[in-house]
Amino acid sequence: QVQLQESGPGLVKPSETLSLTCTVSGDSITSYFWSWIRQSPGKGLEWIGYIYYRGSTNYNPSLESRVTISVDTSKNQFSLTLTSVTAADSAIYYCAREQQDNWFDYWGQGILVTVSS
Amino acid sequence: DIVMTQSPDSLAVSLGERATINCKSSQSVSYSSNNKNYVAWYQQRAGQPPKLLIYWASTRESGVPDRFRGSGSGTDFTLTINSLQAEDVAVYYCQHYFVTPWTFGQGTKVEIK
Repeated sequence: QVQLQESGPGLVKPSETLSLTCTVSGDSITSYFWSWIRQSPGKGLEWIGYIYYRGSTNYNPSLESRVTISVDTSKNQFSLTLTSVTAADSAIYYCAREQQDNWFDYWGQGILVTVSS
Repeated sequence: DIVMTQSPDSLAVSLGERATINCKSSQSVSYSSNNKNYVAWYQQRAGQPPKLLIYWASTRESGVPDRFRGSGSGTDFTLTINSLQAEDVAVYYCQHYFVTPWTFGQGTKVEIK
């Protein structure tokens, strides 16, 4: 059974950097694509980007200048970094497994991140 | 970006009746060359992450009850829930994966009448 678990701080100050990690169990990260998706009341579900285990990435252009997704195959983890955050970045952040044809078949439970001073 | 617009925003259906949710894309999300429609549907119950129901517009994910049916092509897609059950109360989302960035519809809330 594939499981994903997000971890990281739930509170980030404006202008600082949001950093989250997703730990994958029940499957090797050396297959499929691995995505970050966020959900906020104002913007609904928003795909942030994905990474393939070899390191290739694809980001949503709306966030591309501030986003980095990386992978650590030795730990079966992938991570999200979002710089210069504002209140608009407050959301539930999900990590998900993305099938090769680009739908999301496994999701983490999500982590609420609030941007506030 | 391709915009996915769902209708209605919410609907209330009696137990055992049919619920129909529509999703319209701002441009075609189908390739005629492979006859595939690049749309998935998800169910999100309260306090839970989205759950994949359907991909390729009409292929049910393993374990999804057959009362969930997806259809459509081009720019118009439909999720039908036949014989609505109490556990189907949720928000339903469509998503396209035709070209990045993948985008989702705004969601349709299904309640029991």
